[in-house]
Amino acid sequence: AQSVTQLGSHVSVSEGALVLLRCNYSSSVPPYLFWYVQYPNQGLQLLLKYTTGATLVKGINGFEAEFKKSETSFHLTKPSAHMSDAAEYFCAVSDLTSYDKVIFGPGTSLSVIP
Amino acid sequence: KAGVTQTPRYLIKTRGQQVTLSCSPISGHRSVSWYQQTPGQGLQFLFEYFSETQRNKGNFPGRFSGRQFSNSRSEMNVSTLELGDSALYLCASRQGNGPQHFGDGTRLSIL
Repeated sequence: AQSVTQLGSHVSVSEGALVLLRCNYSSSVPPYLFWYVQYPNQGLQLLLKYTTGATLVKGINGFEAEFKKSETSFHLTKPSAHMSDAAEYFCAVSDLTSYDKVIFGPGTSLSVIP
Repeated sequence: KAGVTQTPRYLIKTRGQQVTLSCSPISGHRSVSWYQQTPGQGLQFLFEYFSETQRNKGNFPGRFSGRQFSNSRSEMNVSTLELGDSALYLCASRQGNGPQHFGDGTRLSIL
C-alpha cells in the first residue's frame, strides 16, 4: 500500500529564510504527487502537483517542489519565507493502481518567526 | 466556477445520535471523497464516490456511510455518534485523475 511520510511535524523558520518541507513516499509505481496548504478553519488548497514531465514543479505563492524518483522524495521549498506562509502543509500521492485514491501525509505545521 | 460547498459548517450533536453531512462538488466533477481530520490522527480517508458508486473505502467502521446522487452531490452519514467522532469532515471533488479540490469542511462536535 502507498504511504507518505513528512519529516518534522513542526518546522520554524525566520521571515526571509529558506523554507524546506520534506516528503517521502513509498510506491512501486511513480505516483502523481501533490502539496496542499491548510489555513485555520479552512479546507486544503492545492499548492502544486507533479504528474509527468519536468521534475521541478512551480506552484502558487512562490513554492516549488522537485520530484526525485531515486530518492522517492518530493520536497517543498520556498526561497524566502513570509509571515503569511504560516500554515499546515500536506504532501499527498495518488495511487494510480487504486482508482487514483489520494493518500495524505501527516502534515507539517510551519511557523514563521518575525 | 463555484467551489466545493459543504453544509453545515458547524454541528453539535450528542452521543448516540446520527448526523448527515452534505457536499456539493464543483460542476463537472464526478468524483467526491470524504476525509476526517483530527489533531491526533491527522487527515484520514473515509471513502470516495464516482458516478454514484463507492470505489474506494478507508478503514472506518460501518457507522460511517455515504452516498452520491446523480448530480454528483454527496452525503455522508454517521450513526450512533461517539465522542471520538468529533472532527473536521472534509469533502473534496475532482475531475478525472486531477487534484482534489476541497471544501471548507464541517466541524462536528459531540457532547
